[in-house]
Amino acid sequence: EVQLVESGGTLVQPGGSLRLSCVASGFTSSSHWMNWVRQAPGKGLEWVAIIKQDGSEQHYVDSVKGRFTISRDNTKNSVYLQMNSLRVEDTAVYYCASGAGFLIEYWGQGTQVTVSS
Amino acid sequence: DIVLTQSPDSLAVSLGERATINCESSRSVLASSNNENFLGWYQQKPGQSPKLLIHSAHTRASGVPDRFSGSGSGTQFTLTISTLQAEDVAVYYCQQYYAEPLTFGGGTKVEIK
Repeated sequence: EVQLVESGGTLVQPGGSLRLSCVASGFTSSSHWMNWVRQAPGKGLEWVAIIKQDGSEQHYVDSVKGRFTISRDNTKNSVYLQMNSLRVEDTAVYYCASGAGFLIEYWGQGTQVTVSS
Repeated sequence: DIVLTQSPDSLAVSLGERATINCESSRSVLASSNNENFLGWYQQKPGQSPKLLIHSAHTRASGVPDRFSGSGSGTQFTLTISTLQAEDVAVYYCQQYYAEPLTFGGGTKVEIK
């Protein structure tokens, strides 16, 4: 059974930093593109970032470019999201998600990030 | 960026009746190389993470009941629930994976009338 388990979400002040982690099991995560997708309270889904199987390619939504960095460690079946210069509007549940290509097939349960003073 | 516009924002359907959700893309998501539409549909039940229902515009994901079907091509797509069940109450999203940034529609909330 495919499982994606996120961690690292917490309350952080505006301008602060946070690192989210996601551990995959039940499949070979090194064969999948890995994503982060977020959902603000009461809002829809917003794709945030994606990283290729070997980590050689990353893409971001414009609103996080220069502030967020996606990375992965295939030896640990893990993907990360380093979030710097956090803003109130980054408050959301952050989902780890994966797929063989750009299609998102599997989702984690999410981790809550709250940016507030 | 490819913008996906879903309609309606919400709909209430009686149990056993048909529910239809539309998704319009600002540009074609049909790949000429393989004639595949890079369009998926997701279901998100209250308090849960999203679940893939349909990919390639019309292919059901593993384990998805056949009352869910997808249709359309290019820029116009539809998700149909042929006979609504109580467990289908959820928000449904379309998503294009033709090009980054990947984008989602705004969502359609389906309720029981």
